[in-house]
Amino acid sequence: QVQLVESGGGEVQPGGSLRLSCAASGFTFSSYAMHWVRQAPGKGLEWVAGIWYDASNKYHADSVKGRFTISRDNSKNKLSLQMNGLRAEDTAVYYCARDWGMIIEGALDIWGQGTMVTVSS
Amino acid sequence: SSELTQDPAVSVALGQTVRITCQGDSLRNFYTNWYQQKPGQAPILVIYDEGNKRSSGIPDRFSGSRSGNTASLTITGAQAEDEADYYCNSRDSTGNHVVFGGGTKLTVL
Repeated sequence: QVQLVESGGGEVQPGGSLRLSCAASGFTFSSYAMHWVRQAPGKGLEWVAGIWYDASNKYHADSVKGRFTISRDNSKNKLSLQMNGLRAEDTAVYYCARDWGMIIEGALDIWGQGTMVTVSS
Repeated sequence: SSELTQDPAVSVALGQTVRITCQGDSLRNFYTNWYQQKPGQAPILVIYDEGNKRSSGIPDRFSGSRSGNTASLTITGAQAEDEADYYCNSRDSTGNHVVFGGGTKLTVL
């Protein structure tokens, strides 16, 4: 079945780094744009970053630009998020999500179960 | 503007109709999508393509529409299982970034 499974979350100190991964299965990964969306405890959804089907274009929210980098490996059906310079306000559940389009359309039709990132000293 | 504004909370009596709204300038240019999220679960896409499509398995009591810069999610005959947080999203003015509304907590009385 169509599935996204995130991994790589954990607890890290401010200023530290983490790399999140998302394993896709059950669909042609290389045909869809992909996104990372986060949700801080008790808060709403916040888009973090998106990448086109062929990785030719990638975009990041202003809140993470210069610190986070989205990437994908279509040969391995894997989406990644490299997070550097982590701050307390980055603490959230991070979701991997599929866009229904090849480029960013904004309708996220498949979501993973999320992975928790906690930034704390 | 790239912001989408939603009412924080809405309530509806069981079996009645409720409308959840989402306001933002970018909605004039880009489709609005709606998500349902229940506690401890990932969001689910409910309505997309400006209300023209419902995700598989979503009951037809859910519908979407837009007028000007305001999009609406309507639940006709709300059920207890519809109690959840609802988020709208679209793209920002550049078309390259995704934006979410702040969410609306729906209570079914």
